[in-house]
Amino acid sequence: LAKTTQPISMDSYEGQEVNITCSHNNIATNDYITWYQQFPSQGPRFIIQGYKTKVTNEVASLFIPADRKSSTLSLPRVSLSDTAVYYCLVGVRGYQKVTFGTGTKLQVIP
Amino acid sequence: GAGVSQSPSNKVTEKGKDVELRCDPISGHTALYWYRQSLGQGLEFLIYFQGNSAPDKSGLPSDRFSAERTGGSVSTLTIQRTQQEDSAVYLCASSLYLLSTRGGNEQFFGPGTRLTVL
Repeated sequence: LAKTTQPISMDSYEGQEVNITCSHNNIATNDYITWYQQFPSQGPRFIIQGYKTKVTNEVASLFIPADRKSSTLSLPRVSLSDTAVYYCLVGVRGYQKVTFGTGTKLQVIP
Repeated sequence: GAGVSQSPSNKVTEKGKDVELRCDPISGHTALYWYRQSLGQGLEFLIYFQGNSAPDKSGLPSDRFSAERTGGSVSTLTIQRTQQEDSAVYLCASSLYLLSTRGGNEQFFGPGTRLTVL
């Protein structure tokens, strides 16, 4: 089971770029890396998923180094509405118990 | 429906009572997942279904918890003889395929059921 480690919290000012790093040292060959966003009183929402190198969509970018033991979610020019908890999830081969962990609580400051 | 729905949205019960939580996944999604989230905590995985089958029930906290899925659609999570420590938000999610080696099969979450055991 691929365990993930993220910072507990981060603060950022509006308009700045935010990078949240997740460590997953025992990621398996076929595992994908997925990031979710959760607002208070809501279920998590998919942000982005990747396997290697870089993935970009309209919301964020995901950077994955060659060894895939970590990944970085990049949010460009954050706004107050990006204040949320961000979870890193590593998909396992042959589905097993999965934990999202406690995630990273991002607070965007005006 | 357009998304995953759960009912009830809130449930208050007395210690020792049984409760049933319902999840309606997105139509056509073959995989369904149940999670629990205690106040200020991360998501705790409980169980998943591939079709109507739940191959691994070891994530359920105790034998008071059970879950079933019928017709490859609706799922029910049942908690018998509820305890105060069962108080949490119970989240259901579904995905087109089981989250394993396939990429792009993100989970879509419902709004959750907030369970309070008095």
